[in-house]
Amino acid sequence: QSVLTQPPSAAGTPGQRVTISCSGSSSNIGTNTVNWYQHLPGTAPKFLIYSNDQRPSGVPDRFSGSTSGTSASLAISGLQSEDEADYYCAAWDDSLNAWVFGGGTKLTVL
Amino acid sequence: EVQLSESGGGLVQPGGSLRLSCAASGLTFRSYAMSWVRQAPGKGLEWVSSISGSGGRSDYADSVKGRFTISRDNSKNTLYLQMNSLRAEDTAFYYCAKDLAPIPLAAADYWGQGILVTVSS
Repeated sequence: QSVLTQPPSAAGTPGQRVTISCSGSSSNIGTNTVNWYQHLPGTAPKFLIYSNDQRPSGVPDRFSGSTSGTSASLAISGLQSEDEADYYCAAWDDSLNAWVFGGGTKLTVL
Repeated sequence: EVQLSESGGGLVQPGGSLRLSCAASGLTFRSYAMSWVRQAPGKGLEWVSSISGSGGRSDYADSVKGRFTISRDNSKNTLYLQMNSLRAEDTAFYYCAKDLAPIPLAAADYWGQGILVTVSS
């Protein structure tokens, strides 16, 4: 299983706010910053959040990130149908000397 | 505009070898760490390997350590992944990705379109 733990699925209706959690440990989220990616299989992953809570240019402010201790969260407000995708948290792990991903959360917009 | 383009994928028999390339443009290539990330059919994203901007440091996932080698040619703005002793479980889309910094931070702001590697007899 993945070093970072995410729920396998999440769902919401248009306009709602949803959050996706990511749990790690002291060697990854507890020490290094968390990044989030949006991915549709077969396409290039999209850089969504970096350094825990920073949005790259072009990412809507509906997307926000936060961390607390060894956990992180991605929040999506004003849910839209185009937000339906897989979401991954990621961080560098100092003990493994590895980039670790969460298992991914499939977001469904009902 | 930063562009990354992978090549070299395809069908290979178990135990065989393949070399992936990732040509980069629109950036000062040597200033950024680069990584390979893959996605097997029906699975999530999996980090494969990263290399620092200078090429002096490289790291590997346990699943590929000793079989894959990452390298870069900063004079050609190109990243490579030499894959040996390939197994069926290496079948995946392989993406090259550019990090935000000269050392890997798991913060990849640009990605290639991906290339399929299929290991099968």
